[in-house]
Amino acid sequence: QKEVEQNSGPLSVPEGAIASLNCTYSDRVSQSFFWYRQYSGKSPELIMSIYSNGDKEDGRFTAQLNKASQYVSLLIRDSQPSDSATYLCAVKSDSNYQLIWGAGTKLIIKP
Amino acid sequence: EPEVTQTPSHQVTQMGQEVILRCVPISNHLYFYWYRQILGQKVEFLVSFYNNEISEKSEIFDDQFSVERPDGSNFTLKIRSTKLEDSAMYFCASSEEGAKPQHFGDGTRLSIL
Repeated sequence: QKEVEQNSGPLSVPEGAIASLNCTYSDRVSQSFFWYRQYSGKSPELIMSIYSNGDKEDGRFTAQLNKASQYVSLLIRDSQPSDSATYLCAVKSDSNYQLIWGAGTKLIIKP
Repeated sequence: EPEVTQTPSHQVTQMGQEVILRCVPISNHLYFYWYRQILGQKVEFLVSFYNNEISEKSEIFDDQFSVERPDGSNFTLKIRSTKLEDSAMYFCASSEEGAKPQHFGDGTRLSIL
């Protein structure tokens, strides 16, 4: 059974601080990793994708991947109240089309 | 920016009735997907579709479900005889290639009475 695990939170972070979100996955052949943001009652919105070990930066967001530890993380710098949402980790292997999803971490940015 | 569009935004149906959910994927995308999310639960994969056929489906996608691309733009999910447990948000997604990120529509909230 392929699993993606996330701490459900809520994770409370002061405005302007760095939010750190973590995700582990069980399937060693996973090749593609995605972070989505989901506001309550809305659809998942792609934030970052990462495919190789190391860091990938896009604006205030940095995704980090460690395939040996089966671990992927998302850092949000200079957190804003509008970043308050549930962050979903999704994982895909090359042999499948589907995304395997974590349950999400609820992030609250306190002004 | 191109987006996936879904209609209707909310569908209320009596148990046992057929329902069709509609999606228009991003125009240059070749891979199409349906997911669902029951309130308060994880997003779950239903089916993927490529080159006019199902490429993968989950255990949820049983004989009551079907997908179709009736023309060059629409992608539909049909549930033949709805059950109470089919109540969920249904998301359509598309991607340029199988490995590339999947982009989601706003979803259809399906309520079965």
